[in-house]
Amino acid sequence: DAGVTQSPTHLIKTRGQHVTLRCSPISGHKSVSWYQQVLGQGPQFIFQYYEKEERGRGNFPDRFSARQFPNYSSELNVNALLLGDSALYLCASSTPPDRTSTDTQYFGPGTRLTVL
Amino acid sequence: AQSVTQLDSQVPVFEEAPVELRCNYSSSVSVYLFWYVQYPNQGLQLLLKYLSGSTLVKGINGFEAEFNKSQTSFHLRKPSVHISDTAEYFCAVSYNTDKLIFGTGTRLQVFP
Repeated sequence: DAGVTQSPTHLIKTRGQHVTLRCSPISGHKSVSWYQQVLGQGPQFIFQYYEKEERGRGNFPDRFSARQFPNYSSELNVNALLLGDSALYLCASSTPPDRTSTDTQYFGPGTRLTVL
Repeated sequence: AQSVTQLDSQVPVFEEAPVELRCNYSSSVSVYLFWYVQYPNQGLQLLLKYLSGSTLVKGINGFEAEFNKSQTSFHLRKPSVHISDTAEYFCAVSYNTDKLIFGTGTRLQVFP
């Protein structure tokens, strides 16, 4: 079975631009989470979506937004890019039994975003 | 605040030696614990997890971890490491919410 896939693999943008990152979960998984991993640090939680609804949001500014589509794939959007947004953006999918439960998250390879 | 502490930023070890990577978390009634490994320029791969039941958890690649509720620890161990185990290891905790909280990572460097 295919794992979590993300596109693009690498991306270079300049300050002030907008970026869209994409994620396809493992087949059958209904929940997608996004994490930001700055070089030398552990991943930080940005969003989680379950059945197309936002289930949780981390401590990130409103420049960050996301959505989940009927096929459970997801997009992460970042507006007005800053140098500090340079990071590896990881997507994870899981299949909790219901909205209030947790389950193991499986990660994709990530998208490396560089902001110049 | 909920947090995970990985005290060792780097752990150097010779091949075939045993290793322990330490992880402590802030206390909670209900907690789920995970160890992930990250190879250079790759995403995170799940090594093992503790959800409930036996406190000794066995994972892939010969790794195991022990959940110690009284000490709020979840240390990762391997009796004999290989060169291929060189990677970054992340401990993570979930408090039955919607997110994983990660530690800052431990860089395991295995020397021949």
